[in-house]
Amino acid sequence: SYELTQPPSVSVSPGQTARITCFGDALPKQYAYWYQQKPGQAPVVVIYKDTERPSGIPERFSGSSSGTIVTLTISGVRAEDEADYYCQSSDSSGDSLWVFGGGTKLTVL
Amino acid sequence: EVQLVQSGAEVKKSGESLKISCKGTGYTFSNYWIGWVRQVPGKGLEWMGIINPGDSDTRYSPAFQGQVTISADKSISTAYLQWNSLRASDRAVYFCARLGGDNVGRSFDPWGQGTLVTVFS
Repeated sequence: SYELTQPPSVSVSPGQTARITCFGDALPKQYAYWYQQKPGQAPVVVIYKDTERPSGIPERFSGSSSGTIVTLTISGVRAEDEADYYCQSSDSSGDSLWVFGGGTKLTVL
Repeated sequence: EVQLVQSGAEVKKSGESLKISCKGTGYTFSNYWIGWVRQVPGKGLEWMGIINPGDSDTRYSPAFQGQVTISADKSISTAYLQWNSLRASDRAVYFCARLGGDNVGRSFDPWGQGTLVTVFS
């Protein structure tokens, strides 16, 4: 089955830049989406179609794509950005099957 | 405001059946696919499957095919996730989420608040 691979954890100090990667074989052909989930809450999309930011999401959140790796970048990290982040995409079969990465815990030191 | 409102927490015995719900408000329910996602406590998100309420076309993750049934009743704007025989390993929070919308591409937005299912043996 198709898998997306993320680092389990990333730690940064306030004001620094956090980068969270997601690897998947089909990412050159399929868009990736990023979700933020805080404890006890439902996930919220922060990046869609690799690089687009939904309205209401701060400009410090950005996305990029390069081959089989997509990256979520959070510039000028704030304490409130501490959360779990998940990438999501689909395989290349075209069967409308989605998959999530394992998630990355962002810790703001 | 577009919202998905899920049914409340459930406590069931192993082997029992269960059907939880997800009601959409603030939009035309039949126009958007609804997905279901499992989250075991302390673990990550797992995509289970998705349904088109307009025609009930349903797709399942291979990991959940045959384990659960996803359905929808567009007349009352509600999607369902059901089990015929629960197991202890089904203990998790289950989220529903709408696929696609304005300014979110084909991401899942919004999400329901989650339904905690507890199964005891």
